[in-house]
Amino acid sequence: DSGVTQTPKHLITATGQRVTLRCSPRSGDLSVYWYQQSLDQGLQFLIQYYNGEERAKGNILERFSAQQFPDLHSELNLSSLELGDSALYFCASSVGRGATFVDTQYFGPGTRLTVL
Amino acid sequence: TQLLEQSPQFLSIQEGENLTVYCNSSSVFSSLQWYRQEPGEGPVLLVTVVTGGEVKKLKRLTFQFGDARKDSSLHITAAQPGDTGLYLCAGEKNTGNQFYFGTGTSLTVIP
Repeated sequence: DSGVTQTPKHLITATGQRVTLRCSPRSGDLSVYWYQQSLDQGLQFLIQYYNGEERAKGNILERFSAQQFPDLHSELNLSSLELGDSALYFCASSVGRGATFVDTQYFGPGTRLTVL
Repeated sequence: TQLLEQSPQFLSIQEGENLTVYCNSSSVFSSLQWYRQEPGEGPVLLVTVVTGGEVKKLKRLTFQFGDARKDSSLHITAAQPGDTGLYLCAGEKNTGNQFYFGTGTSLTVIP
């Protein structure tokens, strides 16, 4: 158990709908990362938050948005869903203390999104 | 453009054989992690290497960080079916604690 929790574990919805994925980081971790993994593909970095502020953006679509709340949990919002958005969505957390500190990411169990 | 390239992409071997997976880049990283992922589950951290030339052993797994901190290798001795999975390397750059994942190596160990 990595200490990172994600809900829900599975989500089935229709095209055009909007969903919210939730992530709680490990105790003490300030950074949260979101990744997308499609079938037989590697991890695609979407976005990173550090202590409530957006720190880095990857290949995140404009239909997707995220935020990190004061209690450090994070939510990833996916709207106007398309069939191609079906994937595993992973959240990871790290201490994220800064440039001189060696950091490590720990991953949650993921949310499997199926868009029909 | 992928910052970290892994090879091979797919590997299928018999139980008991040895194998090496490579993770290469032209960039320097402050640290490098190796993860193992099973289907439908999140990546699980195996090791973090920090110092150039560092070697770490985890039972039958040996990890090495290149002297210039641009590449790494994972060697598995006497592979077992339980080693089957997707192996991912990830490099950390100092700026903003950002991580860059490799393309992944899918390993199948046949009993």
